[in-house]
Amino acid sequence: KNQVEQSPQSLIILEGKNCTLQCNYTVSPFSNLRWYKQDTGRGPVSLTIMTFSENTKSNGRYTATLDADTKQSSLHITASQLSDSASYICVVRGRNTDKLIFGTGTRLQVFP
Amino acid sequence: EAQVTQNPRYLITVTGKKLTVTCSQNMNHEYMSWYRQDPGLGLRQIYYSMNVEVTDKGDVPEGYKVSRKEKRNFPLILESPSPNQTSLYFCASSFAGGPDTFYGYTFGSGTRLTVV
Repeated sequence: KNQVEQSPQSLIILEGKNCTLQCNYTVSPFSNLRWYKQDTGRGPVSLTIMTFSENTKSNGRYTATLDADTKQSSLHITASQLSDSASYICVVRGRNTDKLIFGTGTRLQVFP
Repeated sequence: EAQVTQNPRYLITVTGKKLTVTCSQNMNHEYMSWYRQDPGLGLRQIYYSMNVEVTDKGDVPEGYKVSRKEKRNFPLILESPSPNQTSLYFCASSFAGGPDTFYGYTFGSGTRLTVV
């Protein structure tokens, strides 16, 4: 069973709309969680990292939240742009380990 | 420009023909790693290196070799490629603390390998 589950698998929205992507994990004990953006044909690029004690962190129009009690994170995109079309990958690291667990990603398509 | 450069971007080869995918970074990063990305699966680590002459297996090392003779280069070698190694490969690097540092990984643009 994948220890990091992302939903939805894919999402289509219109330009200017908001959307929220979900990441649920079972990794325990937990150290940190990072969101990456992967444009088609490119490598992933880090958007934000959250540690155990952080609840929310913003990077421009991207806002990540973390609930360590329920083991859930979300990535909220405000006023979407065409350039937001990409896959968004959630990555979790457990405490006392070097291993990173990658989710399978949510593919977002923004249409004009 | 700070970057990780992989070559080639696309490669089609036949079963059993040895190949090397090169990876080079210009950020003086100590930590480098290779991943493969397959549909329906998250990125999976093949090998990683914490510094020159130090390499270690990731989660899916079978059928692959690596070397780290210089800090900037971390080639991935497939001695006898098989069709199940058809995948999208990414090289990544990060500061000495590993991918947990604030900036995380810097990834290359990927190499799409097809083994027939």
